[in-house]
Amino acid sequence: ETAVFQTPNYHVTQVGNEVSFNCKQTLGHDTMYWYKQDSKKLLKIMFSYNNKQLIVNETVPRRFSPQSSDKAHLNLRIKSVEPEDSAVYLCASSLYWGGGTQYFGPGTRLLVL
Amino acid sequence: AQSVTQPDARVTVSEGASLQLRCKYSSSVTPYLFWYVQYPRQGLQLLLKYYSGDPVVQGVNGFEAEFSKSNSSFHLRKASVHWSDSAVYFCAVSLAGAKLTFGGGTRLTVRP
Repeated sequence: ETAVFQTPNYHVTQVGNEVSFNCKQTLGHDTMYWYKQDSKKLLKIMFSYNNKQLIVNETVPRRFSPQSSDKAHLNLRIKSVEPEDSAVYLCASSLYWGGGTQYFGPGTRLLVL
Repeated sequence: AQSVTQPDARVTVSEGASLQLRCKYSSSVTPYLFWYVQYPRQGLQLLLKYYSGDPVVQGVNGFEAEFSKSNSSFHLRKASVHWSDSAVYFCAVSLAGAKLTFGGGTRLTVRP
């Protein structure tokens, strides 16, 4: 049963546009994450928030910015997208920072033309 | 920093055959270890996890994994695969349950 929800499922845009992705978890978890999965299926952590506070910010271009209104929501905004941003963006949550198991959403597939 | 290697990018087996997917990790301390599965156009689903204790852990759908500290490995096994097991399998590690570091994934194809 899905408990981490992401919207949209799929988004096509052009270079230079701004996009936003949404993630919501109904598990009551404190910690949320954004991962990027490229065309070769490689997965890398981008950001991690714990109770609305940014904990992890990997080496990510500055055009990416996470936003958290409360601990159940973590959105991702990309200003001025580039072709290499085409990927699947996966949201996850865990009970707390250091809380082991992460539960993933279905992902948002971004295609930049 | 930790790293994960899945040496087999693709594995093909016949339905009913046994399966082993390999995973080796590098870490200064014993990390938490996970196997996730990703079906087409879906997110990642947890198969099993290891924190400590019995080195053989049982997961969902008949999967199990064995942790070996001496070999720095966490191989996934299944006694008899089904066509519906076709998917991409990811091994992952984390320190104290923090951010996950994933291997490159192994694409499993089960022939009918």
